[in-house]
Amino acid sequence: QVTLRESGPALVKPTQTLTLTCTFSGFSLSTSRMCVTWIRQPPGKALEWLARIDWDDDKYYSTSLKTRLTISKDTSKNQVVLTMTNMDPVDTATYYCARIRSGSYFFDSWGQGTLVTVSS
Amino acid sequence: QTVVTQEPSFSVSPGGTVTLTCGLSSGSVSTNSFPSWYQQTPGQAPRTLIYTTNTLSSGVPDRFSGSILGNKAALTITGAQADDESDYYCVLYMGSGISLFGGGTKLTVL
Repeated sequence: QVTLRESGPALVKPTQTLTLTCTFSGFSLSTSRMCVTWIRQPPGKALEWLARIDWDDDKYYSTSLKTRLTISKDTSKNQVVLTMTNMDPVDTATYYCARIRSGSYFFDSWGQGTLVTVSS
Repeated sequence: QTVVTQEPSFSVSPGGTVTLTCGLSSGSVSTNSFPSWYQQTPGQAPRTLIYTTNTLSSGVPDRFSGSILGNKAALTITGAQADDESDYYCVLYMGSGISLFGGGTKLTVL
């Protein structure tokens, strides 16, 4: 059974750097074709794809946010970390991680999400 | 910048059929876009419905189906039920590892 769980601060101040961790089980990021992606959703708004990391450490970022995002993995801990710099109130959102398998390009398992509020 | 387009809202009667679409601001959607569809109710994580255009995710009722209609991806619900009232999102694979969400369609069943 595949599970993913997001963790991180519920509140960050403007200009700070956000660090979120996705801890997963039921698969390994050292297995070929396995990937983890981050997605966010501002309150009342649409989902937005942010970044993806693959089993071979290839990394991909949203065109509009790539200067602020860094994704990394710790295969031994079954974790993926997303950092977002220079946080702004418009970055207030629920942040989800999800599994994706390279070549299928869909999100087959989702975490429950974690709400991050950006406010001074 | 390419935008994935969806109807902002749609309404269907119980038992009726509705087709939601997913297009591109420039260009056509094809199977090479690997369209997928997700259902989301308030306060919940999205649920995967359809992937690679028309493959039903495990446990999803077969009243949901996916296709390509013209130059768009489509999600059809046949025999809509009250608990189908949700937000529906499509995702297209844009290449180079990048996926894009549509703006979502709020479906009302009444």
